[in-house]
Amino acid sequence: EVQLVESGGGLVQPGGSLRLSCSTSGFIFSDHHIDWVRQAPGKGLEWVGRIKNKVNSYTTDYAASVKGRFTISRDDSKASVLLQMTYLRTEDTAVYYCTRLDTYGNWFDFWGQGTLVTVSS
Amino acid sequence: DIQMTQSPSSVSASVGDRVTIACRASQGISNWLAWFQQKPGKAPKLLIYSASSLVYGVPSRFSGSGSGTDFTLTISSLQPEDFATYYCQQANSFPITFGQGTRLEI
Repeated sequence: EVQLVESGGGLVQPGGSLRLSCSTSGFIFSDHHIDWVRQAPGKGLEWVGRIKNKVNSYTTDYAASVKGRFTISRDDSKASVLLQMTYLRTEDTAVYYCTRLDTYGNWFDFWGQGTLVTVSS
Repeated sequence: DIQMTQSPSSVSASVGDRVTIACRASQGISNWLAWFQQKPGKAPKLLIYSASSLVYGVPSRFSGSGSGTDFTLTISSLQPEDFATYYCQQANSFPITFGQGTRLEI
């Protein structure tokens, strides 16, 4: 069974940092790209960024709203992905989901349950 | 960036009704479109990809159509478990973008 489990969310002050983790199981992790998508309370879905697989040189892409502040990395030996968030702003408050891209790298076929990040003083 | 606009933002319907949700892209995306269902407190669930391909295990009452800039999601006969929020998403180019969502309620 494919599983993605996020952890690391919590309350952080504006300007602070937080690291989220996405631990996976049930599939060949190294074959798949992994994305982060967030959802502010009561709002819609916003794409955050992607880390591609080894075949694609672990290339990353980011939304303009987080570029330069957020960094995505992965450890294929641990089947996990990290989202390092720095210089956090109140508008970064959201549930953060990690999601797997399908075999062809196109579609978000499996999602984690999400972890809540609250940025507030 | 490609803007995705859904209509309506919310719709009231009854069990057994046929419902159609529209999604328009600000520029052509061929068939690089997916539809998701999200229930409160849960992660989104992929229903349709490539504009019209049904995910294995998703009931056949769900269907998608369209290409280019205009797309639709149709639920042929609403069931109680279908009341949720639906999102379209373009996978044509970065940044990936979603529609604002359509809330389907009783």
